[in-house]
Amino acid sequence: GAVVSQHPSWVICKSGTSVKIECRSLDFQATTMFWYRQFPKQSLMLMATSNEGSKATYEQGVEKDKFLINHASLTLSTLTVTSAHPEDSSFYICSATVQPDSYEQYFGPGTRLTVT
Amino acid sequence: QKEVEQNSGPLSVPEGAIASLNCTYSDRGSQSFFWYRQYSGKSPELIMSIYSNGDKEDGRFTAQLNKASQYVSLLIRDSQPSDSATYLCAVNPLEAGTALIFGKGTTLSVSS
Repeated sequence: GAVVSQHPSWVICKSGTSVKIECRSLDFQATTMFWYRQFPKQSLMLMATSNEGSKATYEQGVEKDKFLINHASLTLSTLTVTSAHPEDSSFYICSATVQPDSYEQYFGPGTRLTVT
Repeated sequence: QKEVEQNSGPLSVPEGAIASLNCTYSDRGSQSFFWYRQYSGKSPELIMSIYSNGDKEDGRFTAQLNKASQYVSLLIRDSQPSDSATYLCAVNPLEAGTALIFGKGTTLSVSS
């Protein structure tokens, strides 16, 4: 149980284009999902907290107009990187809690984005 | 600012030895603590969670929590080369369902 999937697992796009990353909870309903970014040899950086049916809460320094998050259902959250630039190249990972009152978070396999 | 501190390592141990990983956190009100394992190029995998003072054992892993000292540790017994990875300590300083704060991780290398 507690399986989180992400799609795509890797993507290469040209500078200026937009990329959408999907995060799905496969065997549970996730009212809250989290989006992280990880640069090489660095730790996870929380980008935003995504709650089903409401606007995402972004961390300080994360551009909400650039990183669009939609949590339209209890099993799907999407992150769209708009007008991507090479500096957006990173490893994007989502996580989810199994229940609203659960502390444990389970991570998806991640999406590696390369912007050329 | 809430922080989680870990020694970045690398921590090198021979196969079969005990690996000891340590973590301190700044928010005294934190209630839940986690250890994640991350292999290179992969996402973190939850290996241990601990909520109360003392030890919690799961197979070769033992998590230890001391809230008074704001200290969490992870012991890996009979270390195997497959344990070589980065271990992330994570703390939830708020209520359930909120984001974790991660340390920068300790890299463990187990030599055969």
